[in-house]
Amino acid sequence: GAGVSQSPSNKVTEKGKDVELRCDPISGHTALYWYRQSLGQGLEFLIYFQGNSAPDKSGLPSDRFSAERTGGSVSTLTIQRTQQEDSAVYLCASSFARGPMGTGELFFGEGSRLTVL
Amino acid sequence: AQSVTQLGSHVSVSEGALVLLRCNYSSSVPPYLFWYVQYPNQGLQLLLKYTTGATLVKGINGFEAEFKKSETSFHLTKPSAHMSDAAEYFCAVSDLRQSKLTFGKGITLSVRP
Repeated sequence: GAGVSQSPSNKVTEKGKDVELRCDPISGHTALYWYRQSLGQGLEFLIYFQGNSAPDKSGLPSDRFSAERTGGSVSTLTIQRTQQEDSAVYLCASSFARGPMGTGELFFGEGSRLTVL
Repeated sequence: AQSVTQLGSHVSVSEGALVLLRCNYSSSVPPYLFWYVQYPNQGLQLLLKYTTGATLVKGINGFEAEFKKSETSFHLTKPSAHMSDAAEYFCAVSDLRQSKLTFGKGITLSVRP
């Protein structure tokens, strides 16, 4: 497809388990972002990748969270030893250029809804 | 640090009525401002943006927003609401030095027949 693709769309897991969430950005987009959307909390920035530069990890809430981007394309967000407070929708976005200033637009996927029991 | 305040979590208007969604920002440098919309079960999409130049910005679906530096505001308006405008609206801020957008908590717009 032409848009940002995320999988799984829904994930239910037990507390303490590890989960992996995948993001396939739009082809040719050099920048990739992860955000977390919790009810009533808006969108929380997690991490940003731009080309081969070191990622901006300033938004990761704890060392249980990590992300990588392989070959400048697909990204995986990993949450280790999940907790109930990790339950949220995890959104991935991509853009053509560094930051939102290039085209002024981030293209978002539909998100992965994570529920931790 | 930058921040965005969207007062209230829910706005309800009648079809045909004016839509006004408020956004105030905090930034130590000239901001870039955005409004995004999220329809049910969909990802976010850009409605409009302000970077530099004209302070009244027009976006898709008849929405517009005005950047008012003196009021640190970027309120979103539409003269006449349609049922299809029912969605969640997010205001966001960034600047030249940052790569990330900082989002507000969002406002849910309901449109009554």
